[in-house]
Amino acid sequence: NAGVTQTPKFQVLKTGQSMTLQCAQDMNHEYMSWYRQDPGMGLRLIHYSVGAGITDQGEVPNGYNVSRSTTEDFPLRLLSAAPSQTSVYFCASSLGLAHTDTQYFGPGTRLTVL
Amino acid sequence: QQQVKQSPQSLIVQKGGISIINCAYENTAFDYFPWYQQFPGKGPALLIAIRPDVSEKKEGRFTISFNKSAKQFSLHIMDSQPGDSATYFCAARADKIIFGKGTRLHILP
Repeated sequence: NAGVTQTPKFQVLKTGQSMTLQCAQDMNHEYMSWYRQDPGMGLRLIHYSVGAGITDQGEVPNGYNVSRSTTEDFPLRLLSAAPSQTSVYFCASSLGLAHTDTQYFGPGTRLTVL
Repeated sequence: QQQVKQSPQSLIVQKGGISIINCAYENTAFDYFPWYQQFPGKGPALLIAIRPDVSEKKEGRFTISFNKSAKQFSLHIMDSQPGDSATYFCAARADKIIFGKGTRLHILP
Protein backbone atom coordinates (compact mmCIF):
# COMPACT_ATOMS: atom_id res chain seq x y z
CA ASN A 1 0.00 0.00 0.00
CA ALA A 2 1.19 3.50 -0.84
CA GLY A 3 -0.85 4.89 2.07
CA VAL A 4 -1.80 8.56 1.75
CA THR A 5 -0.21 10.37 -1.18
CA GLN A 6 -0.24 14.09 -1.87
CA THR A 7 0.79 16.05 -4.95
CA PRO A 8 2.50 18.35 -5.52
CA LYS A 9 5.12 18.48 -2.73
CA PHE A 10 5.85 22.15 -3.35
CA GLN A 11 3.89 24.88 -5.14
CA VAL A 12 4.29 28.61 -5.65
CA LEU A 13 1.26 30.62 -6.73
CA LYS A 14 0.56 34.24 -7.44
CA THR A 15 -2.28 35.99 -5.66
CA GLY A 16 -5.56 35.28 -7.41
CA GLN A 17 -4.47 32.05 -9.07
CA SER A 18 -6.40 28.87 -8.49
CA MET A 19 -5.12 25.36 -8.02
CA THR A 20 -6.03 21.91 -6.73
CA LEU A 21 -4.05 19.98 -4.15
CA GLN A 22 -4.42 16.27 -4.78
CA CYS A 23 -4.85 13.63 -2.08
CA ALA A 24 -5.35 9.91 -2.59
CA GLN A 25 -5.39 6.86 -0.34
CA ASP A 26 -5.40 3.19 -1.22
CA MET A 27 -6.52 1.81 2.15
CA ASN A 28 -10.27 1.96 1.45
CA HIS A 29 -10.69 4.54 4.20
CA GLU A 30 -14.03 6.29 4.60
CA TYR A 31 -12.85 9.29 6.62
CA MET A 32 -10.58 11.85 4.93
CA SER A 33 -9.60 15.33 5.98
CA TRP A 34 -7.47 18.33 5.10
CA TYR A 35 -5.40 20.32 7.60
CA ARG A 36 -3.18 23.32 7.31
CA GLN A 37 -0.15 23.72 9.53
CA ASP A 38 1.20 27.15 10.37
CA PRO A 39 3.97 28.02 12.87
CA GLY A 40 2.54 28.31 16.38
CA MET A 41 -0.96 27.40 15.18
CA GLY A 42 -0.75 23.63 15.10
CA LEU A 43 -2.94 21.66 12.71
CA ARG A 44 -6.22 23.29 11.81
CA LEU A 45 -8.99 21.34 10.12
CA ILE A 46 -10.12 22.80 6.79
CA HIS A 47 -12.65 20.29 5.48
CA TYR A 48 -13.43 16.65 6.08
CA SER A 49 -15.43 13.83 4.54
CA VAL A 50 -17.01 10.77 6.14
CA GLY A 51 -17.53 9.02 2.81
CA ALA A 52 -17.96 9.47 -0.91
CA GLY A 53 -20.38 12.28 -1.65
CA ILE A 54 -20.30 13.67 1.90
CA THR A 55 -18.18 16.63 2.96
CA ASP A 56 -18.31 19.12 5.80
CA GLN A 57 -16.48 22.20 7.00
CA GLY A 58 -13.81 22.26 9.66
CA GLU A 59 -12.37 25.19 11.61
CA VAL A 60 -10.95 27.23 8.71
CA PRO A 61 -12.93 26.45 5.51
CA ASN A 62 -13.03 29.90 3.91
CA GLY A 63 -11.25 30.09 0.55
CA TYR A 64 -11.21 26.32 0.07
CA ASN A 65 -13.53 23.86 -1.65
CA VAL A 66 -13.55 20.08 -1.54
CA SER A 67 -15.43 17.24 -3.18
CA ARG A 68 -15.41 13.49 -2.65
CA SER A 69 -16.56 11.70 -5.77
CA THR A 70 -14.69 8.48 -4.95
CA THR A 71 -13.55 6.79 -1.75
CA GLU A 72 -9.91 7.11 -2.80
CA ASP A 73 -9.61 10.80 -3.72
CA PHE A 74 -10.19 13.99 -1.77
CA PRO A 75 -8.88 17.06 -3.66
CA LEU A 76 -8.64 20.50 -2.06
CA ARG A 77 -9.29 23.48 -4.32
CA LEU A 78 -8.07 27.01 -3.75
CA LEU A 79 -10.38 29.23 -5.75
CA SER A 80 -8.40 32.48 -5.63
CA ALA A 81 -5.14 32.13 -3.74
CA ALA A 82 -4.22 34.73 -1.12
CA PRO A 83 -0.92 35.22 0.77
CA SER A 84 -2.75 34.15 3.96
CA GLN A 85 -3.05 30.68 2.44
CA THR A 86 0.71 30.21 2.47
CA SER A 87 1.05 27.10 4.60
CA VAL A 88 1.85 23.42 4.69
CA TYR A 89 -1.20 21.32 3.84
CA PHE A 90 -1.71 17.79 5.10
CA CYS A 91 -4.27 15.29 3.97
CA ALA A 92 -5.22 12.47 6.36
CA SER A 93 -7.41 9.39 6.26
CA SER A 94 -8.77 6.76 8.61
CA LEU A 95 -11.04 3.78 8.31
CA GLY A 96 -13.69 5.69 10.21
CA LEU A 97 -13.99 7.50 13.52
CA ALA A 98 -14.07 4.45 15.76
CA HIS A 99 -11.65 4.29 18.67
CA THR A 100 -9.39 1.82 16.94
CA ASP A 101 -9.19 3.76 13.68
CA THR A 102 -5.74 5.30 13.29
CA GLN A 103 -5.53 8.49 11.26
CA TYR A 104 -2.75 8.39 8.67
CA PHE A 105 -1.22 11.57 7.30
CA GLY A 106 0.28 12.23 3.91
CA PRO A 107 3.72 13.85 3.47
CA GLY A 108 2.29 17.34 2.97
CA THR A 109 2.24 20.07 0.30
CA ARG A 110 4.18 23.25 0.99
CA LEU A 111 2.33 26.13 -0.66
CA THR A 112 3.62 29.68 -1.06
CA VAL A 113 1.34 32.42 -2.34
CA LEU A 114 3.13 35.57 -3.51
CA GLN B 1 -15.51 24.69 23.30
CA GLN B 2 -13.84 22.82 20.48
CA GLN B 3 -10.37 23.91 21.52
CA VAL B 4 -7.59 21.76 22.82
CA LYS B 5 -5.02 23.78 24.75
CA GLN B 6 -1.47 22.43 24.78
CA SER B 7 1.56 23.48 26.80
CA PRO B 8 4.41 24.18 26.76
CA GLN B 9 5.10 25.50 23.27
CA SER B 10 8.67 24.28 23.46
CA LEU B 11 10.60 22.04 25.82
CA ILE B 12 14.26 21.20 26.30
CA VAL B 13 15.13 18.07 28.28
CA GLN B 14 18.43 16.39 29.07
CA LYS B 15 19.00 12.91 27.67
CA GLY B 16 17.61 10.37 30.12
CA GLY B 17 15.18 12.84 31.66
CA ILE B 18 11.38 12.87 31.66
CA SER B 19 9.53 14.99 29.10
CA ILE B 20 6.03 16.10 30.07
CA ILE B 21 3.52 17.77 27.75
CA ASN B 22 0.10 18.83 28.97
CA CYS B 23 -3.27 19.32 27.26
CA ALA B 24 -6.67 20.52 28.40
CA TYR B 25 -10.10 20.49 26.77
CA GLU B 26 -13.61 21.77 27.40
CA ASN B 27 -15.89 19.72 25.18
CA THR B 28 -17.20 16.72 27.10
CA ALA B 29 -18.27 15.11 23.81
CA PHE B 30 -14.63 14.28 23.04
CA ASP B 31 -14.27 10.51 23.32
CA TYR B 32 -10.78 9.73 22.10
CA PHE B 33 -7.47 11.45 22.81
CA PRO B 34 -4.52 10.64 20.53
CA TRP B 35 -1.00 12.02 20.56
CA TYR B 36 0.92 12.52 17.33
CA GLN B 37 4.65 12.84 16.72
CA GLN B 38 5.98 14.85 13.80
CA PHE B 39 9.55 14.99 12.51
CA PRO B 40 10.71 17.89 10.31
CA GLY B 41 9.47 17.60 6.72
CA LYS B 42 7.13 14.72 7.55
CA GLY B 43 3.45 14.33 8.29
CA PRO B 44 2.30 13.63 11.86
CA ALA B 45 2.14 9.99 12.92
CA LEU B 46 0.07 8.44 15.69
CA LEU B 47 2.17 7.80 18.78
CA ILE B 48 -0.27 6.68 21.46
CA ALA B 49 -3.95 7.23 22.28
CA ILE B 50 -6.33 6.89 25.19
CA ARG B 51 -10.06 6.67 25.82
CA PRO B 52 -11.66 8.66 28.67
CA ASP B 53 -12.67 5.53 30.60
CA VAL B 54 -8.98 4.79 31.26
CA SER B 55 -6.75 6.88 33.54
CA GLU B 56 -3.41 5.79 32.15
CA LYS B 57 -1.97 4.07 29.11
CA LYS B 58 1.63 3.04 28.69
CA GLU B 59 3.48 1.96 25.55
CA GLY B 60 7.18 1.51 26.06
CA ARG B 61 8.66 4.80 27.25
CA PHE B 62 5.50 6.75 26.41
CA THR B 63 2.65 7.15 28.91
CA ILE B 64 -0.61 9.08 28.69
CA SER B 65 -2.18 10.18 31.97
CA PHE B 66 -5.85 11.16 31.77
CA ASN B 67 -7.86 13.12 34.34
CA LYS B 68 -11.48 13.14 33.23
CA SER B 69 -12.80 15.34 36.04
CA ALA B 70 -10.17 18.02 35.34
CA LYS B 71 -10.50 17.58 31.55
CA GLN B 72 -6.75 17.27 31.27
CA PHE B 73 -4.38 14.74 29.80
CA SER B 74 -0.63 14.58 29.48
CA LEU B 75 2.14 12.75 27.67
CA HIS B 76 5.16 11.54 29.63
CA ILE B 77 8.29 10.39 27.81
CA MET B 78 10.54 8.46 30.15
CA ASP B 79 14.30 8.16 29.59
CA SER B 80 14.07 10.77 26.81
CA GLN B 81 16.46 10.22 23.90
CA PRO B 82 17.80 12.56 21.18
CA GLY B 83 15.72 10.59 18.67
CA ASP B 84 12.59 11.76 20.51
CA SER B 85 13.31 15.32 19.39
CA ALA B 86 10.22 16.22 17.37
CA THR B 87 7.00 18.20 17.54
CA TYR B 88 4.23 16.56 19.55
CA PHE B 89 0.53 17.25 19.11
CA CYS B 90 -2.28 16.25 21.40
CA ALA B 91 -5.71 15.87 19.85
CA ALA B 92 -9.30 15.17 20.80
CA ARG B 93 -12.04 13.63 18.75
CA ALA B 94 -15.80 13.90 18.62
CA ASP B 95 -17.28 14.00 15.11
CA LYS B 96 -13.94 15.36 13.92
CA ILE B 97 -10.41 15.56 15.28
CA ILE B 98 -9.15 18.80 16.82
CA PHE B 99 -5.43 19.31 17.46
CA GLY B 100 -3.50 21.28 20.01
CA LYS B 101 -0.95 23.81 18.78
CA GLY B 102 2.00 21.50 19.31
CA THR B 103 5.08 21.27 21.50
CA ARG B 104 8.55 21.35 20.00
CA LEU B 105 10.66 18.97 22.08
CA HIS B 106 14.46 18.99 21.99
CA ILE B 107 16.45 16.37 23.84
CA LEU B 108 20.02 17.41 24.65
CA PRO B 109 22.61 14.68 24.04
